[in-house]
Amino acid sequence: GAVVSQHPSWVICKSGTSVKIECRSLDFQATTMFWYRQFPKQSLMLMATSNEGSKATYEQGVEKDKFLINHASLTLSTLTVTSAHPEDSSFYICSASKGRDEQFFGPGTRLTVL
Amino acid sequence: GENVEQHPSTLSVQEGDSAVIKCTYSDSASNYFPWYKQELGKGPQLIIDIRSNVGEKKDQRIAVTLNKTAKHFSLHITETQPEDSAVYFCAASPNDYKLSFGAGTTVTVRA
Repeated sequence: GAVVSQHPSWVICKSGTSVKIECRSLDFQATTMFWYRQFPKQSLMLMATSNEGSKATYEQGVEKDKFLINHASLTLSTLTVTSAHPEDSSFYICSASKGRDEQFFGPGTRLTVL
Repeated sequence: GENVEQHPSTLSVQEGDSAVIKCTYSDSASNYFPWYKQELGKGPQLIIDIRSNVGEKKDQRIAVTLNKTAKHFSLHITETQPEDSAVYFCAASPNDYKLSFGAGTTVTVRA
């Protein structure tokens, strides 16, 4: 199989606080992990690509200091939304790749910033 | 970068009928074309994919066709069932492994 988990599945936080989302590949080692953002009734927008042990590559328009990505091991990547504001409310989805172009997606994390 | 267009945005079919979703891409270097099904509140699930060295691929009720010359690919679902109702996304990937997604198609299967 190729199972990817995310934690938490949903989170509500106050404006100005930071939120960390974990993405784990449960039954394989992921050479690359991707973070996406999805607004209601819209498509997935790639935020950043991360490889284990190296700095993440951010897409144009994504603030790297606001969306901190750490890929500490071949099975874990984290996304921290710093100083969250209501406009950061969204569905955040990670995916993991075994090395080819196939991506396996996590179940997503619903972030609501009050 | 790669630009993927997907049509239609919504599709309503009678149970048992076929559903067809079409996508076009812009980057001739793209060589991997997956299709994902996303149910409400969940992450996308890969349902079928095709690579540029193949023209057609089938898996039970689902098939995908690829026309590299015209730069378009299509998803075909036959004998649709209510559980096929979901949002479907096509995507294309050039050699850097990134996926560019289409806008999505909301499929509703009427019982």
